Amino acid sequence: QITLKESGPTLVKPTQTLTLTCTFSGFSLTTSGVGVGWIRQPPGKALEWLAVIFWDDNKRYSPSLKSRFTITRDTSKNQVVLTLTNMDPVDTATYYCAHRLKYGHTFDYWGQGILVTVSS
Amino acid sequence: DIQMTQSPSTLSASVGDRVTITCRASQSISTWLAWYQQKPGIAPKLLIYAASSLQSGVPSRFSGSGSGTDFTLTISSLQPDDFATYYCQQYNDLWTFGRGTRVEIK
Repeated sequence: QITLKESGPTLVKPTQTLTLTCTFSGFSLTTSGVGVGWIRQPPGKALEWLAVIFWDDNKRYSPSLKSRFTITRDTSKNQVVLTLTNMDPVDTATYYCAHRLKYGHTFDYWGQGILVTVSS
Repeated sequence: DIQMTQSPSTLSASVGDRVTITCRASQSISTWLAWYQQKPGIAPKLLIYAASSLQSGVPSRFSGSGSGTDFTLTISSLQPDDFATYYCQQYNDLWTFGRGTRVEIK
């Protein structure tokens, strides 16, 4: 059974750095084709893809946000970490991590999400 | 970047209605298109991938079609559990979501 769960701070101040952790089970991020991505959703708005890391440690980022994001993995802990610098109130959103089975597939299993509020 | 345009943004329908939602890509994405259902406060649920493949466990009243730039999601007979927001997503080149279609009770 595949599960993912996001953890991290729920309140950050403007200009601070946000670090979110996705802890997963039921799959390995070293299996060929597998990926873990991050998607966010501001309150009342649409979904926005942010970043993904693959089984071979290849990483891809949203072009509009690339300079602010870093995605890394710890395969021994079954975790993926997303770091977002210089947080702004517009970054207030629910952040989800999600599993991708292999090339040609998209995100099938999602975490429950974590609401992060950016406010002074 | 590939842009995804969904229509309509809101749809009012009754139980038993046939519902169709459309999604258009700004360039060809072959069949690298997925549909998600989302209810308030809950993570999106994958319904359709590869434009027309039904995700395991999804009721057969959901179907998808299209290729290239134009796609549709059809619900053959709307059920009470189907009132939700639906998103299309392309994964031909990175990932992009549409702005969503809210299906509400008429």
